[in-house]
This record gives sequence, C-alpha cells and structure tokens, in this order.
Amino acid sequence: SQTIHQWPATLVQPVGSPLSLECTVEGTSNPNLYWYRQAAGRGLQLLFYSVGIGQISSEVPQNLSASRPQDRQFILSSKKLLLSDSGFYLCAWSQGGSGANVLTFGAGSRLTVL
Amino acid sequence: GQNIDQPTEMTATEGAIVQINCTYQTSGFNGLFWYQQHAGEAPTFLSYNVLDGLEEKGRFSSFLSRSKGYSYLLLKELQMKDSASYLCAVTDSNYQLIWGAGTKLIIKP
Repeated sequence: SQTIHQWPATLVQPVGSPLSLECTVEGTSNPNLYWYRQAAGRGLQLLFYSVGIGQISSEVPQNLSASRPQDRQFILSSKKLLLSDSGFYLCAWSQGGSGANVLTFGAGSRLTVL
Repeated sequence: GQNIDQPTEMTATEGAIVQINCTYQTSGFNGLFWYQQHAGEAPTFLSYNVLDGLEEKGRFSSFLSRSKGYSYLLLKELQMKDSASYLCAVTDSNYQLIWGAGTKLIIKP
C-alpha cells in the first residue's frame, strides 16, 4: 500500500531564517506531488506541483521554492522566512498522468514564524 | 474567475441528518471531490462525483447536478466524531483542483 511521510510536524522559526520541509511517498512510482498551504479558516492554496523528477510548477509567486530530487521525494524550501509564511503546510500525492485523481495528504507541518 | 461556495459553519445534533451544500463556477468540469478534515489534521478523501446523481457510501452520500453547478454532502446518523471541516473541490478543464474554503460542522449531543 502507498504511504506518505511529511516532516517536521511542527516548527517555530524566526523571521529571516531558512526553511526545509520534506515529503516522501512509498509504494508507488512516478506520482504527481503537491505542496499546499492552509491559513487558519481558509481553503487550500496550491503552492507547487510536480509531475516528475526535476519538474516543478509554481502557482503562487512568493519566497518559497520546491525541488524534486528523486521520484518520490518533494522538498519545500525558503532562504528567508517572512511572518506571512506562517501556516499549515501539506504535501500530497496522486497517481501520475492526467485525470481527476484522488489526493492523499501527508500529516502536515505547522509552521510559526516569529 | 473560478469560485467554489460553501457555508462557513453548520451545527447539527448527534443522531440527526445534515446536508452541506457546495456551488461552483469553474472553467470546465472534470469531477467534484469531498474531503473531511478534522481540526489540526490533514484532509482525507470522502467521495468523488463526475456524473449527475447520488453516490452513497455508508452514512455519507454525495449528490451532483452539473447543469446547476451544485453538489451536496449528506451525513446521516451523525456521530460526535463527524465534527470536522468538509471541503468541496472541483477539477476544472485543465484538471486543476479548485478548493472551497470548507464548512465547519459542529455536532452537539
């Protein structure tokens, strides 16, 4: 069966510090991978998605970046965090290829920037 | 623009039935999803509708009318554990998922 791991679960970072969130998927090959952010009481905002190694599509311009160094690994990074980067970050995967596929989410990473 | 509307919050009683509505305006349509999200947790998949009609899964059912741009999630025999947010999401013509802001469902004993 497929599983998705995301870490760290919680982090508190000062403004201007770097960020790295990591996500890995097991039990599937060539998945579509996604990074979402959810602000309190708001809907899910798609940040990045990837359909293959080294392929990243950015949905929202910001000081975040994403990388996919391996087929089942997806990393969200920032060189300098802003207060507005606080939120609940969710990694997700779906079956590769086009189509309306079900998203399976990781447990999430709650980031507080102080 | 693309838009998904659902009520912000609803309250229901344990054992009762509740219907959560979702209306959408998107560039094309390739299916509608409902997800459940407990506080502080990740969303989990509940249902998928691509054709008009009702899909039933145990206590949960989801209905779709493509001509009206409308869906609802019906929860029967409510239990306290059903207290959560329910997210409606539509796949547009480019297979991009458009998310609603979610409906927070509060269950009272």
